[in-house]
Amino acid sequence: QQPVQSPQAVILREGEDAVINCSSSKALYSVHWYRQKHGEAPVFLMILLKGGEQKGHEKISASFNEKKQQSSLYLTASQLSYSGTYFCGTERGLERDDKIIFGKGTRLHILP
Amino acid sequence: DVKVTQSSRYLVKRTGEKVFLECVQDMDHENMFWYRQDPGLGLRLIYFSYDVKMKEKGDIPEGYSVSREKKERFSLILESASTNQTSMYLCASSSTGARSPLHFGNGTRLTVT
Repeated sequence: QQPVQSPQAVILREGEDAVINCSSSKALYSVHWYRQKHGEAPVFLMILLKGGEQKGHEKISASFNEKKQQSSLYLTASQLSYSGTYFCGTERGLERDDKIIFGKGTRLHILP
Repeated sequence: DVKVTQSSRYLVKRTGEKVFLECVQDMDHENMFWYRQDPGLGLRLIYFSYDVKMKEKGDIPEGYSVSREKKERFSLILESASTNQTSMYLCASSSTGARSPLHFGNGTRLTVT
């Protein structure tokens, strides 16, 4: 029932770009993205609602294709501070129910 | 700033003990959640509450129960702790708005011996 994230892990050099994907077998109302650094709580990045929207947050942006039940997170010109584990959380169904189910995460490691 | 406080950062309990994990939020949020986090498995939802005295099972409720007597407090109860419940437990809260993010506590690392 968890959304599927890919890749499981990625290693980049500072300045390189990354894409993290999140897909679901069920219709989605919304997709959340969070980043968790080691030993810390997950921190909110952005929410996308059904309707195929895109959002941006500094050099981190995301898209949501509700027909394909997929979302992608784009990290442009990655910085060392981007290292961590990224989780997508999905709200399933055609209407909002506030219950967020997370994927297994994507570990991102940025090398200097 | 929203603050979600979990009562213990580390907890060690024995098999068979009844364990209470407490979570308090200070932003009058309607929704509260308990997740457990294990390496390679991500965050898995145990229970969810959308109002006082209301609860809904998540994906892995077996062996757990919850209590929400007051809006700001959501407790996770392990009726009889087992070693396979050794994990990091994360509490979160959110309001009911469509774009409301989850705010997480710092987690409780529970070890059952």
